[in-house]
Amino acid sequence: AQKVTQAQTEISVVEKEDVTLDCVYETRDTTYYLFWYKQPPSGELVFLIRRNSFDEQNEISGRYSWNFQKSTSSFNFTITASQVVDSAVYFCALSEARRGNTGKLIFGQGTTLQVKP
Amino acid sequence: EAGVAQSPRYKIIEKRQSVAFWCNPISGHATLYWYQQILGQGPKLLIQFQNNGVVDDSQLPKDRFSAERLKGVDSTLKIQPAKLEDSAVYLCASSRWGQGVEKLFFGSGTQLSVL
Repeated sequence: AQKVTQAQTEISVVEKEDVTLDCVYETRDTTYYLFWYKQPPSGELVFLIRRNSFDEQNEISGRYSWNFQKSTSSFNFTITASQVVDSAVYFCALSEARRGNTGKLIFGQGTTLQVKP
Repeated sequence: EAGVAQSPRYKIIEKRQSVAFWCNPISGHATLYWYQQILGQGPKLLIQFQNNGVVDDSQLPKDRFSAERLKGVDSTLKIQPAKLEDSAVYLCASSRWGQGVEKLFFGSGTQLSVL
């Protein structure tokens, strides 16, 4: 069965600190996709990144970076020099790339990040 | 480009009452999803439409939940009768093709409280 675990329920940091959000997943498939979504107080989930299981290159986008390690089944998300606007709930999600599956995401429980000024 | 629209934003009902939620996806998006997000948990897929056909409703409690997507555009999710455990945020999402694994665009959700 597929499962996504975000062990950190809440994290609180002071602005400009770096923060890493952990994500561990389980799947029997060899082909799958991993996602991170951000949910601000307004409620809508906002897509941040998608990686497929064959691409283990780390990715950097501005202050955001992602570390994908298949050996440990982890897909961690780091925010460098955090800002108050980064305060939100962050979800890691898994989707299997099997035929017919086009959008069923298995979400983790979410990590609430609070960035204090 | 307009986002995914949902209404109402909030709804409070008594248990055993009926309730309906509406979703208008991004124009041209073929695939529409309804997710249920219980407080403190990640969203869980209830049903997925491809145009006006159902792709996956394996986690939809069909004895009380129903959904339709007439003409392959707007969608309505209904609960009848509601139970206390249905209190949650109901999120609608859409994607362009429904082919492969795409990113989803989410609406702001409808927060349901069942008393």
